[in-house]
This record gives sequence, structure tokens and C-alpha cells, in this order.
Amino acid sequence: DAKTTQPPSMDCAEGRAANLPCNHSTISGNEYVYWYRQIHSQGPQYIIHGLKNNETNEMASLIITEDRKSSTLILPHATLRDTAVYYCIVRAPNAGGTSYGKLTFGQGTILTVHP
Amino acid sequence: DTGVSQDPRHKITKRGQNVTFRCDPISEHNRLYWYRQTLGQGPEFLTYFQNEAQLEKSRLLSDRFSAERPKGSFSTLEIQRTEQGDSAMYLCASSGGLASYNEQFFGPGTRLTVL
Repeated sequence: DAKTTQPPSMDCAEGRAANLPCNHSTISGNEYVYWYRQIHSQGPQYIIHGLKNNETNEMASLIITEDRKSSTLILPHATLRDTAVYYCIVRAPNAGGTSYGKLTFGQGTILTVHP
Repeated sequence: DTGVSQDPRHKITKRGQNVTFRCDPISEHNRLYWYRQTLGQGPEFLTYFQNEAQLEKSRLLSDRFSAERPKGSFSTLEIQRTEQGDSAMYLCASSGGLASYNEQFFGPGTRLTVL
């Protein structure tokens, strides 16, 4: 799986948009971009994933550049409960290969949302 | 609650003792993963089951570690002759379905402290 690079920490004011960047310059054509977050003392939580197109769900939006070498996770209206470690992961699909879908976590970005 | 559950949530043991953790995945999920997370680091993959078959083991999984999923439902992770370096959060995750991008659902983890 391709390696990802994220800033170690970011701050955001409550109610503002939080934009979390991720670089994955060695991503392969069949690898997806996943975002998970981990709130203190809990297991990681899936947020969103994408392959080429931008994606949006009830939690966040994912913007992937045209060359797929970087992406941005957007939390449109951050709340205090969004304070967490956010992990950007690049992963091959379950089908085929030998990765069996395991996730390779980096150290992530610690997002702190301030009142 | 139909999420992934883990038992116990916390375990304190003395060096040299054996410990066993249990994971109950989401009932229809055929894939089950174990990860280990030490303080300040992202989770690291340990092993993967598809139904009852253990298909991948990380080099992190020394011969003191053994994992089973006897009937393709719950799984156990046993650590024999525990060492202080085994102190960590042990996370279980499950996923299922035929799509190539199934997200993993994580349990709350078992925090192990080896004295």
C-alpha cells in the first residue's frame, strides 16, 4: 500500500470548516483513499473513502486531486466532538492481491476544535 | 448494540502470565482483523481471518501470540508469557460483503497493562 503524509496537528474553530490534507504521491491506479478518525480511548471510526471522484456523506467530504497524489478531508462545520486523530490511508481493494484489506495507519493528524 | 464488541476492556497482568482477549464481530461479517496500538502511534496490523481461516499474520505476531476464530464467528487472541513490551491497546475490526471497498468497523479495544 502507498505511504501517506499528513501534518501532525491542526487547529480549527468550532463552527468553521476543517480541511485536513494528505499526500499520497505513490498511489497506484487501483488504490482507494480512506479516512478514519479515532476519538480518545475509542477504536477508529470509518469516515469516508474515494477512488477518483470527490465524495460526500453525512460526516464529511473528500476531495481528491485529478492526479490522485493528494486529497483533502473536509468537515464542513466542525464541533468540539470532532476533536480526534484523523488517519488518511491508501489501500488496495479486498479483491485480488494479498493485502486482504488490512489498513496501514500512519501517525495521523491530531485535530483540535476550539470553542 | 450490533457493533463489534471486545472483552475485557481492560486487563492488568504480571509479566510471564498468559492472557486471552475475545472479539465478537458484527454478525454477518466474514472478515476479522486484529491490530495493536501503542501510545502515540497508529494501530498496527497483527492478523486477518476470512471466516475461520487465518490468512495473514504480521511479523509483529511473535510465537507467543496466537489467534483463533474457530467457527468463523468470534475470535480470541492469546498472549503467552507476557512481557512489558506487550502493553498496548488491542483492537479488533470486522468487515463483510462482496464489494471491494468495505470499511472496517472497530471495537472499543482491550487495553493491556503488563506489570
